[in-house]
Amino acid sequence: EAGVVQSPRYKIIEKKQPVAFWCNPISGHNTLYWYLQNLGQGPELLIRYENEEAVDDSQLPKDRFSAERLKGVDSTLKIQPAELGDSAVYLCASSSPVGTQYFGPGTRLTVL
Amino acid sequence: AQSVTQLGSHVSVSEGALVLLRCNYSSSVPPYLFWYVQYPNQGLQLLLKYTSAATLVKGINGFEAEFKKSETSFHLTKPSAHMSDAAEYFCAVSEPGGYNKLIFGAGTRLAVHP
Repeated sequence: EAGVVQSPRYKIIEKKQPVAFWCNPISGHNTLYWYLQNLGQGPELLIRYENEEAVDDSQLPKDRFSAERLKGVDSTLKIQPAELGDSAVYLCASSSPVGTQYFGPGTRLTVL
Repeated sequence: AQSVTQLGSHVSVSEGALVLLRCNYSSSVPPYLFWYVQYPNQGLQLLLKYTSAATLVKGINGFEAEFKKSETSFHLTKPSAHMSDAAEYFCAVSEPGGYNKLIFGAGTRLAVHP
């Protein structure tokens, strides 16, 4: 069974540029999560989707971050414009509605 | 609000020695508890979870953890460390039935030396 797929794995951009991350969850998992992991810290939830509906986006900085999951499968997380402090690893996870979360390998973003 | 404290950001053990990684939680109700492991440049992998059944939970790779309500702890142990156990370990908590809302600790980096 394929795991959670994320791309790109690494991204380097200059500040004020836009960036997007893509996630493909495990087949059949209706719940999808985006997490932010700063260096030396544990992951922090940014947004959770149940199918195509964002049911918890309270921690998403909506002035510059946006996410979508139009067909309830793949998801995209966007930052526009990026700031130096956005340098981090962005993790995607998926689960069945009350199941264990399975994580992708993450996208490491460096903002110069 | 729930929170997780992992004592010791770095732990170093010899190969074959006991591994003990500490986790304490703060929750108003007995929570669900999880240990995840993260190898370099990889995502998090579930080691084990406590969901109010047996207090001693066995996981993958020889790890186990014991839920102690009186101490609000969920420490991770392994009797004999292997070089391949070197990684970052994260403890996480959620509300009962709330698999969807995980609060992670800051992590403990385990080093295993020959």
